[in-house]
Amino acid sequence: KAGVTQTPRYLIKTRGQQVTLSCSPISGHRSVSWYQQTPGQGLQFLFEYFSETQRNKGNFPGRFSGRQFSNSRSEMNVSTLELGDSALYLCASSWDSATNEKLFFGSGTQLSVL
Amino acid sequence: SQKIEQNSEALNIQEGKTATLTCNYTNYSPAYLQWYRQDPGRGPVFLLLIRENEKEKRKERLKVTFDTTLKQSLFHITASQPADSATYLCALDPSSNTGKLIFGQGTTLQVKP
Repeated sequence: KAGVTQTPRYLIKTRGQQVTLSCSPISGHRSVSWYQQTPGQGLQFLFEYFSETQRNKGNFPGRFSGRQFSNSRSEMNVSTLELGDSALYLCASSWDSATNEKLFFGSGTQLSVL
Repeated sequence: SQKIEQNSEALNIQEGKTATLTCNYTNYSPAYLQWYRQDPGRGPVFLLLIRENEKEKRKERLKVTFDTTLKQSLFHITASQPADSATYLCALDPSSNTGKLIFGQGTTLQVKP
């Protein structure tokens, strides 16, 4: 069974640009969560989708958005990039994260904003 | 304020010894707590989940305890090996059944041969 796949693996953007990151969950998983990881703040929850609906959202500005498709694949978008958005963006999937399920993480997308 | 803290950023031990990592939390009442392992450049990998009504859980050389009175979880690796070197993260769901995990900063374990 294939794991969680995130693309691209690395991304370099400049301030003011926008970026879209993609996540394909494990087959059969309906919940997809996104996390931002930085050396200073650690892992921080961005949002979680279940059956195409955003079920939970972290404390990030509206520049961060996401969506989930009918096949459970998910994308997250960051608009008007800032230097502080440089981070490892991790996607995690589970059958249903709200029922105490463990999360399966992808390897992440390393975003650098110059 | 709500916090989840892991005892130290780094822990160095000799091969064969037991590594003990600590996770403390304040102002949460989690129904469960999870532990993950993260290697450089990779996403976290789930290790163990312990529920509030469980005192201890084991998996091979790993053991986790959960003390809801002390608001603390201990993570032990017995007979440690250099391959155990990684960052270990504890995580909890602050409101139970929301799917939103709060992670500690992690403890980087270095096991020396």
